[in-house]
Amino acid sequence: QVQLVQSGDEVKNPGASVKVSCKASGYTLRIHPILWVRQAPGQGLEWMGWISTFNGITDYAQKFQGRVTMTTDTSTSTTHMELGNLQSDDTAVYYCATARTPYYYDSRDAFDIWGQGTMVTVSS
Amino acid sequence: QSALTQPPSVSGSPGQSITISCTGTSSDIGEYNSVSWYQQHPGKAPKLMIFDVTNRPSGVSDRFSGSKSDNTASLTISGLQAEDEAEYYCSSYTSRKTGVFGTGTKVTVL
Repeated sequence: QVQLVQSGDEVKNPGASVKVSCKASGYTLRIHPILWVRQAPGQGLEWMGWISTFNGITDYAQKFQGRVTMTTDTSTSTTHMELGNLQSDDTAVYYCATARTPYYYDSRDAFDIWGQGTMVTVSS
Repeated sequence: QSALTQPPSVSGSPGQSITISCTGTSSDIGEYNSVSWYQQHPGKAPKLMIFDVTNRPSGVSDRFSGSKSDNTASLTISGLQAEDEAEYYCSSYTSRKTGVFGTGTKVTVL
């Protein structure tokens, strides 16, 4: 079964960084775009950025530029999203998603496979 | 990039049809056909329902259909069923080569 498995929930202090991983199970990530999305409690979905597992190209939402880094390791079919200088309003569920059959090979693709989500809580 | 505008809520009786609008600008919906719709039940990950404005992924009911006119995209659910009660989000590619989601619409089956 094709799925994305994310790392476990995290609790961080303000000012710290968090690194969330997203591992493909049942297939190998070699050409797939990986999208990262977050959702604060009771709020809507927020587009964070994407990374190509083929060549590592990234595009980040302007809001997160300078604070987010997305990386990929094709040898383990794992993608990481690191967010720095965490504040209380970064408390959210973070999702990764990919396209089962990429067409554009970028963020225009149809993201039909989603991870289970990782809850990141920022609190002192 | 400001979020796309959706109505906060839409409701309908079983069997009826409802339409959810998603309004953007000439820099996103108006310029690209990369509009998707997602369904999200409480506590669950989003599920892709429509991509590239009108296309349905394999396994998604043909009761769901999408369209676009100028800067506004729409999702229509025909033959409304209890299981369709959920939050729905649109998304679009933008001229900044990034994406943006809509504000979300709560669908209630009366």
